Amino acid sequence: AQSVTQLDSHVSVSEGTPVLLRCNYSSSYSPSLFWYVQHPNKGLQLLLKYTSAATLVKGINGFEAEFKKSETSFHLTKPSAHMSDAAEYFCVVSDLVKGYSTLTFGKGTMLLVSP
Amino acid sequence: DVKVTQSSRYLVKRTGEKVFLECVQDMDHENMFWYRQDPGLGLRLIYFSYDVKMKEKGDIPEGYSVSREKKERFSLILESASTNQTSMYLCASSLWGTRAGANVLTFGAGSRLTVL
Repeated sequence: AQSVTQLDSHVSVSEGTPVLLRCNYSSSYSPSLFWYVQHPNKGLQLLLKYTSAATLVKGINGFEAEFKKSETSFHLTKPSAHMSDAAEYFCVVSDLVKGYSTLTFGKGTMLLVSP
Repeated sequence: DVKVTQSSRYLVKRTGEKVFLECVQDMDHENMFWYRQDPGLGLRLIYFSYDVKMKEKGDIPEGYSVSREKKERFSLILESASTNQTSMYLCASSLWGTRAGANVLTFGAGSRLTVL
C-alpha cells in the first residue's frame, strides 16, 4: 500500500524568502509523484510531476521538487515566495494499475505568505 | 478553456433529501473520479469510473452512488443526505492506460454541499 505524509500542516513565510514544503512517501512500486496547489474556493491545479525521468522536476510559477529515493522524499521548494503563492499544497503518490491511477493524497500544507 | 465543469458551486440541502452532483469533462478522458475534501483530512476517493457504465468503489463509498451513462458525464448521488456529508466535493478526470499523462488528474472547481 502506498502512503503520503506531509510533515507540516501550516508553513508561514515572508514575501521574498524561500519556501520549503516537505513530503515523504511510501510505495511498493516505482511511484509517480505530484504536487497540486489549491487556491481558495478553487479546484486543484497540477504544479509539477515526477515520473522516473530527471530527479529534479521544475513546475509552474517557479516551483521545483527533488525526488530522493534514498530518503523517500519529494519536497517542494521555491527560492522566493510571492503573495500569490498563498494556498494549500497537496503531495500525491500514484501507482498506475490496470489503466487507471490509484492516487493517494497527503493531508495538505497551508502556505501563508506575509508582506 | 474550462475542461471539467461541476454544475453547482454551492448547494444547501436538508437531511434526507436526494442530492445529485453533476460533472462534465470535454477532454474525452476515459477515467472520472469523485473526491470529498475535508479540513485536515485531505482528499478522499468516493468512487471512480474507467468507462461508461463502469464504476469502482473508492475509500469512502458508503452513503453514495454514481452514474456514468455517457463518457463525458459522471454524477454523484447522495440517496438520503445526512449532516456528515457536508463537505467540498471535487470531480476529476484523466486518460486511461499508460500513455503519458494517464495519471494526471484535471479537477473541477468543486461543489460545496451543506446539509442542514
